Amino acid sequence: NAGVTQTPKFQVLKTGQSMTLQCAQDMNHNSMYWYRQDPGMGLRLIYYSASEGTTDKGEVPNGYNVSRLNKREFSLRLESAAPSQTSVYFCASIFGAGYGYTFGSGTRLTVV
Amino acid sequence: DQQVKQNSPSLSVQEGRISILNCDYTNSMFDYFLWYKKYPAEGPTFLISISSIKDKNEDGRFTVFLNKSAKHLSLHIVPSQPGDSAVYFCAALRQGGKLIFGQGTELSVKP
Repeated sequence: NAGVTQTPKFQVLKTGQSMTLQCAQDMNHNSMYWYRQDPGMGLRLIYYSASEGTTDKGEVPNGYNVSRLNKREFSLRLESAAPSQTSVYFCASIFGAGYGYTFGSGTRLTVV
Repeated sequence: DQQVKQNSPSLSVQEGRISILNCDYTNSMFDYFLWYKKYPAEGPTFLISISSIKDKNEDGRFTVFLNKSAKHLSLHIVPSQPGDSAVYFCAALRQGGKLIFGQGTELSVKP
């Protein structure tokens, strides 16, 4: 099925561990985004990639890095996980302005 | 600074009645406004959008109203159904920019 695929769906990390969240879309969308959702905070933008080869910081980029590997894939890396990074992470993509973003089903990350 | 605000964390309505979800924004440069619906353990799904040059957009039971002078938009659901129970996010977008979300409003439609 066409859409945005995120892996893994669940992950538990120890403080200081690193991991990469994977995201892939098969809709030929230009722009891709990483959001985190926390209670009472809505969805906050971590990083985005307006097009292949470009990445930019969002509202809450500290502690994260991203790679736009190709047009399909946009990964989010936590180099040294902290408990404050416990959250649900969503990847999204969009073709152009005015079109609804398509979101993946999320990765629930717990850092202990 | 919260550019998009949803001041009501929750709303409860009776089945068949109208649900009105509200959203305020501070940046007059936004080009589009969108509403998303989110069920637990799922990603948000696009519901309806409105361009900043319009004041109303309708799609079935869902209507979004935009009041630019008040920097306010609202989503009306008529009639409300139990399956509409979810968290609704308001979001705003600048051309070439990024989508900014509000905090969400949890709607509960009671049979």
